[in-house]
Amino acid sequence: DAGVIQSPRHEVTEMGQEVTLRCKPISGHNSLFWYRQTMMRGLELLIYFNNNVPIDDSGMPEDRFSAKMPNASFSTLKIQPSEPRDSAVYFCASIQGIETEAFFGQGTRLTVV
Amino acid sequence: AQSVTQLGSHVSVSEGALVLLRCNYSSSVPPYLFWYVQYPNQGLQLLLKYTSAATLVKGINGFEAEFKKSETSFHLTKPSAHMSDAAEYFCAVLTDQFYFGTGTSLTVIP
Repeated sequence: DAGVIQSPRHEVTEMGQEVTLRCKPISGHNSLFWYRQTMMRGLELLIYFNNNVPIDDSGMPEDRFSAKMPNASFSTLKIQPSEPRDSAVYFCASIQGIETEAFFGQGTRLTVV
Repeated sequence: AQSVTQLGSHVSVSEGALVLLRCNYSSSVPPYLFWYVQYPNQGLQLLLKYTSAATLVKGINGFEAEFKKSETSFHLTKPSAHMSDAAEYFCAVLTDQFYFGTGTSLTVIP
């Protein structure tokens, strides 16, 4: 298995633009997590899905952020409109069941200028 | 609510010296505990995990961690540091979701 795949690896965009981050979890994994990592705040959980259903989105910073998981093999995190303070590395992770570890993607480094 | 505390955001050790990274957790239920490592510009990789079996857990690259329920701790150790161990280390608790500590940056001095 290729692991958790995120795209793009790097994204530079102008303030106000829409940004879409993509994640393909490991096949067979039933939970998916989106994290944001910054120097100031460390690793923050934004939202997680179980069997494609959003379970907890309390970490989503504001309405500009939205996430979807239309099927078991694909998820998106969208920011509209983007702001400079959204600049961070965004990670996607997936797990299978319980008692197992989370597998992380390589991350998307977002820079909003 | 669950929480994970990593004491020391930065730790420096000499090459060949003992590595000790501290992690304490709070959990209302028996937790599953993990240590992850993050190398520059990469995602998090699992070092080791505790899932209620043996309290001393051995992981990759010579790391190990001991679960101490009485101290609610899960400290990470390695007897002899190597230059390649320089990275960011995260402790995590899994209950209903993953809760990560703030991370400890390990520097290895030649």
